[in-house]
Amino acid sequence: EAQVTQNPRYLITVTGKKLTVTCSQNMNHEYMSWYRQDPGLGLRQIYYSMNVEVTDKGDVPEGYKVSRKEKRNFPLILESPSPNQTSLYFCASSDKNQLDTQYFGPGTRLTVL
Amino acid sequence: KQEVTQIPAALSVPEGENLVLNCSFTDSAIYNLQWFRQDPGKGLTSLLLIQSSQREQTSGRLNASLDKSSGRSTLYIAASQPGDSATYLCAVNPNDYKLSFGAGTTVTVRA
Repeated sequence: EAQVTQNPRYLITVTGKKLTVTCSQNMNHEYMSWYRQDPGLGLRQIYYSMNVEVTDKGDVPEGYKVSRKEKRNFPLILESPSPNQTSLYFCASSDKNQLDTQYFGPGTRLTVL
Repeated sequence: KQEVTQIPAALSVPEGENLVLNCSFTDSAIYNLQWFRQDPGKGLTSLLLIQSSQREQTSGRLNASLDKSSGRSTLYIAASQPGDSATYLCAVNPNDYKLSFGAGTTVTVRA
């Protein structure tokens, strides 16, 4: 089954404790992206990647890092989480020739205390 | 910068009533527009995609229209059912790698 998986699905942590949210897709997609969703603001893009070792900033990259060492994985790293990063995070992927067809993961709800 | 607005933020209707969801965007230079459905605890599911050259797109009980010049799209859901209860998101694609999303309309269909 074609899917995008994220782990963990729920996470409560404390300010300053480094964390990683993993994202994996099994569709051999070149393009992967991270979004955060906050009430009243819709989804905003954090980072995206067009292929292995190619990443670029989205609209709200501050406080986040990403890496793309393998095609299937695109982890989101918070080196020093702060309460304003409490949000619902979505990973998405698509074929580079069909960027308008994005497959979304189920989301990770992160709370930073 | 593209701004996408969805009104109303929430909507509650009795079963069987037709739904009308609105989306407006500030920059008409778009490549396409999509409507997504979001269910609690799940990701987003694409419902309809309208290319900039199209005026509307239909799938079953769903119909989406696009007026690019006025920066508006409308999603119609005919004969609503309780299973249609979800949040509906509008997203525009400016022909790069970023989708600009609206905040969504949360729909409740009462049995």
